Formats: sequence, structure tokens, C-alpha cells
Amino acid sequence: DIQMTQSPSSLSASVGDRVTITCRASRSISSYLNWYQQKPGKAPKLLIYAASSLQSGVPSRFGGSGSETDFTLTISSLQAEDFATYYCQQSHSTPGTFGQGTKLEIK
Amino acid sequence: EVQLVESGGALVQPGGSLRLSCAASGFIFDSYWMSWVRQAPGKGLEWVANIRRPGSEEYYVDSVKGRFTISRDNAKSSLFLQMNSLRAEDTAVYYCARGGTVTYFDYWGQGTLVTVSS
Repeated sequence: DIQMTQSPSSLSASVGDRVTITCRASRSISSYLNWYQQKPGKAPKLLIYAASSLQSGVPSRFGGSGSETDFTLTISSLQAEDFATYYCQQSHSTPGTFGQGTKLEIK
Repeated sequence: EVQLVESGGALVQPGGSLRLSCAASGFIFDSYWMSWVRQAPGKGLEWVANIRRPGSEEYYVDSVKGRFTISRDNAKSSLFLQMNSLRAEDTAVYYCARGGTVTYFDYWGQGTLVTVSS
């Protein structure tokens, strides 16, 4: 199975900050990398697919980059509604493993 | 509007069985892979199983192989998860999601809680 490792596990930031979350795959997954946002008590929401494609309706302050084994999710200017947990997920092969999550908290 | 609505979650004893359902609407159901993803209390997301569009291929995470069976009824736009020999570690919110192998999960249901406890 492909292992997905996110860093950091938690992050404190302020509104307006630029934030970067990284995700590393245990072997190459090309660009089969997706990012999700989850708020407490809610289902996850797709933000980015295929490493860098923005899902319809997602604000442009969210961006994704990377390929092969190293990927990043960047939020260019944090808004209050962005404080949540973020997960990466590889869809290169079954099982479609998720990273352990990054909890983004208000500083 | 795409909607996925899960049902069937309950409190069940270890060793028991449960069948989850997911009613889909707003899209052509039999054109998509479908999946189940779970989340144990306070933990991260774990992909559980998926099924190909015509339902001829199924895949499972190792921890549920031989105990869980995913199926679909394309005529009724419904997805199912039959869970047998349930264990305490199967306790989680189970989400139905559109997508599967080589694709992303672009729509999710609200989840249904399965609690395995005596």
C-alpha cells in the first residue's frame, strides 16, 4: 500500500496568513493526489484534484502543486472559514490512502 | 443537485451484522465508481471499499476483506455495504462518496454512525 505522510500535523495561523501543508507519498503517484477540507461534524469537501486542479466552487486562494512523491496545498490568504482539518489522498492505486490530516487552528 | 444520503447505522454487538445504504440522486449513478470511506471517532479518514460502475469489480481495504461486501443497484441508484463479523475497531462514521480507483471523491454523503459495542 502507498503511505501518505502529511506535515505538519497541526498548525496555528492568523487570518490573512499564507499557509502551506505538505504531503509525501511513499512511492510515485504521478499527479493522482487530491486535497480535502473537513470541518467538525461535517463530511469532507474536495478542494483540489489531480494535484493542482481546483474543484468547481472552491475559492482561488486554495492552490495545489507537486508531482511524483511531493505535494503541497497552499492557502494564499487565510480566511476565518478556512480553519479546519485538511487531508491529502492518493488515487493512483487501491487502497486510496489518506494522509493523517493537518489541523489548522486560529492563532 | 448531486445528493448522497446514507442510512442504516446503528449500535451493534461485536460479531454482529449491519447493512448500510446510500441513496444517490442528481447524477447518472451507473456512470460512476462509488466508495465507502469511514472515520473512527477523533481519527482520520480511511477508504473502506469501492465498486466499479457496472459493479463487476470490487476492492476492499485489508482490514475488512472477507467481512464486508460492497454492492450497488443501478436501477435504484443505490449503494450498499454489508458488514459482517463486526469488531470494535469498525466503530466509525461511514460516508458514501462518489468516485473510486483513479478518481477523486467529489461528492460525499452526511455519514451514518456505526457503533460496535457490547
